[in-house]
Amino acid sequence: DIQMTQSPSSVSASVGDRVTITCQASQGISSWLAWYQQKPGKAPKLLIYSASSLQSGVPSRFSGSGSGTDFTLTISSLQPEDIATYYCQQANSFPVTFGPGTKVDIK
Amino acid sequence: QLQLQESGPGLVKPSETLSLTCTVSGGSISSNNYYWGWIRQPPGKGLEWIGSLYYSGSTFYNASLKARVTISVDASKNQFSLKLSSVTAADTAVYYCARRGGSGRSFDYWGQGTLVTVSS
Repeated sequence: DIQMTQSPSSVSASVGDRVTITCQASQGISSWLAWYQQKPGKAPKLLIYSASSLQSGVPSRFSGSGSGTDFTLTISSLQPEDIATYYCQQANSFPVTFGPGTKVDIK
Repeated sequence: QLQLQESGPGLVKPSETLSLTCTVSGGSISSNNYYWGWIRQPPGKGLEWIGSLYYSGSTFYNASLKARVTISVDASKNQFSLKLSSVTAADTAVYYCARRGGSGRSFDYWGQGTLVTVSS
């Protein structure tokens, strides 16, 4: 199985700050990586697919990059509505695996 | 607009079988290139994939749950189902159904989730 790790586990930043979250796969997954945003009590929401493609309707301040084993999710200017937990997920092969999550809040 | 809705008991006794159904509306469950899956989230914890199914019936399961899990499809009702047997308190979680595929094999549509508590 492909293991996914994320860092940091939590981040506190000010409104307008640039926030970067990293995700690492235990083996190469090409660009088969997705990022999700989950707010309390809600289902996860797809933000980024294929490592860097922005899902329709997602604000352009969100971007993704990387390939192989190392990936990054960037929020270019943190907004109050971005407070959530962010998960990466490898889509290369079954079994599907998720990262442990990164909690983002406002300083 | 595609919508998914989970349904089923919110309380299950230990050792019994958890049964949930996901009803798909606004699109066909028999569409090519899509897998339909179940993901769960224990309270305060992360996401765990349970398994996925293709409309033709082929399935993939999380190895840690495989002995207890069955995912099946009823295309005539545009539904797919989850059965998890011999449940314990560790199976208490919010259970989500979701569609995989279309956008880089990611889960692009999710149900709202349903909390299932295992308790006597």
